[in-house]
Amino acid sequence: QTVVTQEPSLTVSPGGTVTLTCASSTGAVTSGYYPNWFQQKPGQAPRALIYSTSNKHSWTPARFSGSLLGGKAALTLSGVQPEDEAEYYCLLYYGGAHPWVFGGGTKLTVL
Amino acid sequence: QVQLVESGGGVVQPGGSLRLSCAASGFTFSSYGMHWVRQAPGKGLEWVAFIRYDGSNKYYADSVKGRFTISRDNSKNTLYLQMNSLRAEDTAVYYCAKDHRPAAMNYWGQGTLVTVSS
Repeated sequence: QTVVTQEPSLTVSPGGTVTLTCASSTGAVTSGYYPNWFQQKPGQAPRALIYSTSNKHSWTPARFSGSLLGGKAALTLSGVQPEDEAEYYCLLYYGGAHPWVFGGGTKLTVL
Repeated sequence: QVQLVESGGGVVQPGGSLRLSCAASGFTFSSYGMHWVRQAPGKGLEWVAFIRYDGSNKYYADSVKGRFTISRDNSKNTLYLQMNSLRAEDTAVYYCAKDHRPAAMNYWGQGTLVTVSS
């Protein structure tokens, strides 16, 4: 069973920079896993932020960026705003019979 | 603008069945694959199922395979999830999401709550 692992929680100060990561139990995450990132605030549906490692949707704020870092997918927030406090989920694509697996989520606190 | 509206959630007894619907608008529904994703109370997101744009291929998470069936009616711009043999662990908010090539999701509905309880 494939497991995708994220940091359970992170804290960042307003205006600061933070990087969230996403690891696969199968080994290094590459662009072939088409990493996606989603933001979810309490009581709301998830909102897509990043697809295919580093591509932004039209509504994604410029302060969000995606990359590969040390064998993991990464989401970096630069110049963090109070409204960025949320849960963040990564999604990896494995193909085959069970193609998509979400990470467990990272609760980001802006303090 | 793209809209996805789920319906059909409710309370059902263990072993029972329920059919969820997702009404789509604002895009050419018949050209896109569609996903179901669920979220148990206080838990993370779990991908449930995917159907290709023409219904030719369907994929399921192991946790629902053999019990849930994803389908679509492109003439009605509607996605479905037939859920049978429901268990307490199927209790969750169920979201539909539009596929975004490659291997992504862009738009999400607001979700419908399914509670499996006696």
